[in-house]
Amino acid sequence: GAGVSQSPSNKVTEKGKDVELRCDPISGHTALYWYRQSLGQGLEFLIYFQGNSAPDKSGLPSDRFSAERTGGSVSTLTIQRTQQEDSAVYLCASSFQGVSYEQYFGPGTRLTVT
Amino acid sequence: AQKVTQAQTEISVVEKEDVTLDCVYETRDTTYYLFWYKQPPSGELVFLIRRNSFDEQNEISGRYSWNFQKSTSSFNFTITASQVVDSAVYFCALRPTTSGTYKYIFGTGTRLKVLA
Repeated sequence: GAGVSQSPSNKVTEKGKDVELRCDPISGHTALYWYRQSLGQGLEFLIYFQGNSAPDKSGLPSDRFSAERTGGSVSTLTIQRTQQEDSAVYLCASSFQGVSYEQYFGPGTRLTVT
Repeated sequence: AQKVTQAQTEISVVEKEDVTLDCVYETRDTTYYLFWYKQPPSGELVFLIRRNSFDEQNEISGRYSWNFQKSTSSFNFTITASQVVDSAVYFCALRPTTSGTYKYIFGTGTRLKVLA
């Protein structure tokens, strides 16, 4: 079956512009996570969705970052007024609900802010 | 504190050598889950294994084996007879089960280079 998909795969934007990153999780996965991975670094948790609600937004680095999920499926991560330090790979993962389930990751969106 | 430490930043081995990737975790929970993921050069993380805190039995899958020891809070990963295709970044992750906790806590990863 289809895995997690993310779009765009690459995004180059000018400092100060807004960007939207999209994630399509695996059908039936109610849990959805966003992570940020800077070059050579580990995974930094950003936000967790359970259905359409986000019980944990603690990883969002600033109020320029927001995310939503609609229909218990597609999620969009929006970064407003992008800064150069926002350059990273943004990964989305989905899983079945519950603590024991592994996450399935998308290929990521590589964001470059110039 | 909930934390995962992968002290080995990068390891290089020659093909056919055995290699062990270390993972040490910290958690207050008595019930938790541990995971290993592989991130090949293509970039997409791939799930390798899950282990719950009540199951300390070691697991072997082909050339891969995992050693879980609660006494030392470690969940180490061994690749036997390594191959060039094993070259990747490997992440260890912890999923606590404290009510209200939703995060998977990842280590910083170990980059494995297998040289032909």
